[in-house]
Amino acid sequence: DVVMTQTPVSLSVSLGGQVSISCRSSQSLVHNNGNTYLSWYLQKPGQSPQLLIYKVSNRFSGISDRFSGSGSGTDFTLKISRVEPDDLGVYYCGQGTQYPLTFGSGTKLEIK
Amino acid sequence: EVQLQESGPGLVKPSQSLSLTCSVTGYSITSNYWGWIRKFPGNKMEWMGYISYSGSTSYNPSLKSRISITRDTSKNQFFLQLNSVTTEDTATYYCAYSYAHRFDYWGQGVMVTVSS
Repeated sequence: DVVMTQTPVSLSVSLGGQVSISCRSSQSLVHNNGNTYLSWYLQKPGQSPQLLIYKVSNRFSGISDRFSGSGSGTDFTLKISRVEPDDLGVYYCGQGTQYPLTFGSGTKLEIK
Repeated sequence: EVQLQESGPGLVKPSQSLSLTCSVTGYSITSNYWGWIRKFPGNKMEWMGYISYSGSTSYNPSLKSRISITRDTSKNQFFLQLNSVTTEDTATYYCAYSYAHRFDYWGQGVMVTVSS
């Protein structure tokens, strides 16, 4: 299985600040078709996970441009700029390149 | 918009079977992929498997001997059955719509506790 390692486990940020979350995979996430299926999800308190970013850097419908994804191969980053109160929750990376699909262990974002 | 809703018992006894239903509105389950994902206490998430638009299935090998995902296209529902459960199957179970190797929409989740 592809192991997804997320860091940090938790972080605290002031409103209006910027944070980065790292996600590393144990194998390259480049699919045979040339696409890299790395997604980012946010689970807000009391809610189900929601898709933020797909294929490394594509924002899902309705997602603010304050969220941006980057990376390639095995090393990926989610950046959140101008942090707002509604951004708090647990962020997960997930890979869709190889079965079984796997997720990172999550990064909890707290607002200072 | 696609909406998903899980339903099923919140408490299951060890060694019994866990059965959940996902009811879908706004999109036909005869298109794309429909999966089950669970989140354990402590944040770990595990993809359990999916059923495709054609009815084919794929399961996580860690569950392969215990899991079955089926569907009823007339009701636009799909189902999860997990056999021989233990306390380690205690989790929140989500159904989700999957497109292009990602999960676009998730149900609200149902918490299932395995306990005698």
